Amino acid sequence: NAGVTQTPKFQVLKTGQSMTLQCAQDMNHEYMSWYRQDPGMGLRLIHYSVGAGITDQGEVPNGYNVSRSTTEDFPLRLLSAAPSQTSVYFCASSYAGDYEQYFGPGTRLTVT
Amino acid sequence: EDQVTQSPEALRLQEGESSSLNCSYTVSGLRGLFWYRQDPGKGPEFLFTLYSAGEEKEKERLKATLTKKESFLHITAPKPEDSATYLCAAAGGTYKYIFGTGTRLKVLA
Repeated sequence: NAGVTQTPKFQVLKTGQSMTLQCAQDMNHEYMSWYRQDPGMGLRLIHYSVGAGITDQGEVPNGYNVSRSTTEDFPLRLLSAAPSQTSVYFCASSYAGDYEQYFGPGTRLTVT
Repeated sequence: EDQVTQSPEALRLQEGESSSLNCSYTVSGLRGLFWYRQDPGKGPEFLFTLYSAGEEKEKERLKATLTKKESFLHITAPKPEDSATYLCAAAGGTYKYIFGTGTRLKVLA
């Protein structure tokens, strides 16, 4: 089992560019989520999904889109990157919404 | 508003010096209280889940406990390899996990 995988590991974008952060899991988990981690702010929930075809907003959803067409994949799209989106992004999955989550290795994004 | 608060922000211990980390929570309809360990440059790694007040879980030098308002992570006779950031999270009725800002633990040899 690869667990939760994320690509890329590092990315530098210019303001206004768009990109997609990829996340995949091979544990057949229904629940998947995206977080951003900033110094002193902890992990903040961006979007989450309780199953294929179902997504919902977290604490900080503005500027990000998600979709869940399969159980395995949960990509995060940045529509028009801003310097405020410079952060480390983590994807996580779990059996259900009240079970432990398993995290990917993270993507470090810098927007200049 | 749901909230999770961890203290202290940072903690330095000598090897073998036991201590506790605190996680206070205000969450409607708590479905689970979770502890994670995060090493620099890596994703959080799951440690424990607690579901109801009075519950305790143990793993090696770590023990997690839960009351109706707080959770504690007790570290007994820590070693330098226990150095990490420890995160607390709560899952409420909306299935949204809320994380605290973590406690940075440094264990000196």
